[in-house]
This record gives sequence, structure tokens and C-alpha cells, in this order.
Amino acid sequence: KAGVTQTPRYLIKTRGQQVTLSCSPISGHRSVSWYQQTPGQGLQFLFEYFSETQRNKGNFPGRFSGRQFSNSRSEMNVSTLELGDSALYLCASSLGGRAADTQYFGPGTRLTVL
Amino acid sequence: AQRVTQPEKLLSVFKGAPVELKCNYSYSGSPELFWYVQYSRQRLQLLLRHISRESIKGFTADLNKGETSFHLKKPFAQEEDSAMYYCAAYGNQFYFGTGTSLTVIP
Repeated sequence: KAGVTQTPRYLIKTRGQQVTLSCSPISGHRSVSWYQQTPGQGLQFLFEYFSETQRNKGNFPGRFSGRQFSNSRSEMNVSTLELGDSALYLCASSLGGRAADTQYFGPGTRLTVL
Repeated sequence: AQRVTQPEKLLSVFKGAPVELKCNYSYSGSPELFWYVQYSRQRLQLLLRHISRESIKGFTADLNKGETSFHLKKPFAQEEDSAMYYCAAYGNQFYFGTGTSLTVIP
């Protein structure tokens, strides 16, 4: 089985721009979660989607949003980028029957905001 | 506030020595506890979860609800255990610790 894929792998944006990141889960997985990883804060939960519905959301401003499509692929969007949004964004998929099911992580998208 | 704390950022042990990676959590209710591991140039992956009560790659973790701890242990460290280890708690969402980088010295 192919693993979780994330595109693009690297991205450079400037302040004020917006960005869309994509995640393709493992085939058959219905849950997709997003995380922000920074050296200072570590891994922080952004949101989780299951069957196209947001099941949980972390403590991030409304500039961070996401969605999930009928094929379970997910996108996250960050609008009005700030320097502090520079981070590695990780996506994880799971079967989804239980939110605490084993998560399988993608390689991440490295976002740099200049 | 929900929180997972890993007090050691870096930990070095000699090959064959016992290793313990500490994890403490502050969580209302009864969270599920996990250890995730990231080997060099690999993805983050699940190592073990407390409800399984299993030993993976020689590692075990005991949940101590009184001390709200979930320390990861291995009696004899191997060089291939060198990696970044993250403790995580799940109640209604995942909370991760900041990680401990383990180096096993040959």
C-alpha cells in the first residue's frame, strides 16, 4: 500500500499570501489529521476530518482551515500568512473508526514564510 | 490545560544499558497514551499504545495514573534505537510532547 503523500514538499511564500497544502491518505483510510511542527512548540494539532466532516479542531486562528473530499483527500489552507506560520505541516491518516486509531504520517510540507 | 511533558530533550546511553524516556501528562479525564518514534530520515510512526499493553522492539511503557506518567523503557538499548521519541495523549484530540532525542553510543 502506498503511504500518506503530501504535496508540495517545500513551499516559500511571503507575508500576507495564502497557501494550500494537500494530503492524500492511505487507501481505505477515512480520517485525516493535520499538525503543525515547529522547534519551539513541537507538534500541535490543527484539525481532524472524517468522512468530509471536521471532527475536531485545535487551538489555531481562523486563518487556518481545511476540508476533506469524498475520496478522503484533504487540503488545508492558511490565509494571510505570518512569519510565525513557518513550520513543517504534517498530515496523518487513520482508518477513522476511532479518532485515536493508529495514525500514519506523511513526510510533511515545509512552509517558509518570508 | 491539557499538556504532555517530556522533560529530557536529549538523552544518551551506552549500548546495552537500560533506557528510560520520561513522559508526564496533565489531562482531565482518562486519555489514551501513545509513544511515537521518528528514526533519521523516516516518518513519524507509532511505537506503542498503552491500551495494547504490548512490547514493541523491546520497549514497554507503563501507565501510572497516580503519577500521571507514561515512561518508555527498554532494558538493553541498541544502536538502532537512536531516534526522536514523542509521547502523546488522546482525549478528544492528540497532544504531543516536545520529544526526546535518544542517542545510543556504541
